[in-house]
Amino acid sequence: QKEVEQDPGPLSVPEGAIVSLNCTYSNSAFQYFMWYRQYSRKGPELLMYTYSSGNKEDGRFTAQVDKSSKYISLFIRDSQPSDSATYLCAMKVTGGGNKLTFGTGTQLKVEL
Amino acid sequence: GAVVSQHPSWVICKSGTSVKIECRSLDFQATTMFWYRQFPKQSLMLMATSNEGSKATYEQGVEKDKFLINHASLTLSTLTVTSAHPEDSSFYICSALAGSNTGELFFGEGSRLTVL
Repeated sequence: QKEVEQDPGPLSVPEGAIVSLNCTYSNSAFQYFMWYRQYSRKGPELLMYTYSSGNKEDGRFTAQVDKSSKYISLFIRDSQPSDSATYLCAMKVTGGGNKLTFGTGTQLKVEL
Repeated sequence: GAVVSQHPSWVICKSGTSVKIECRSLDFQATTMFWYRQFPKQSLMLMATSNEGSKATYEQGVEKDKFLINHASLTLSTLTVTSAHPEDSSFYICSALAGSNTGELFFGEGSRLTVL
């Protein structure tokens, strides 16, 4: 079993839809949770960064962490074609030397 | 956010040659940088942790003699793929640590290596 599970997709939604992206994990020591967006043939771009459980909102993006269920989510409101990319979840333990464990990424396509 | 620059973005080389990829933090100093490898439609796999002024720490299964890492300054780390073979063809991405306590990583644009 992988430490971090993420559905690779592809996920196709119409413009304006609310998108829900999710990851589950098995290591209860993970404390820091991140979402990255990666366009084709580009490096990942940090979108959201949260510590422990709770919600965090930034513009159209909301990140949720439920440590009791070992489940994290990224919601995108009013999705745009420019949101089409691969979204990677990543997480790390405290004192883990800043080593991130990544999910496989979910490919999202927002269609006109 | 912080800017990390990678060069070259795309390189094609013949089998047996060596290729150097540079990773620079442009607007901050990074004592720690990381090198990843990514195959198509797969996640990032950490290869090694590059520490300024000391030897890199390699992940299990990564050949340190094949993937030479040098972190000579606080803004530059290099990855040299020695005696490259077609199976080394991949997307190599570096990241730099900005903020020692939070662990926020900022990534370069990636370097696509094709070995003929």
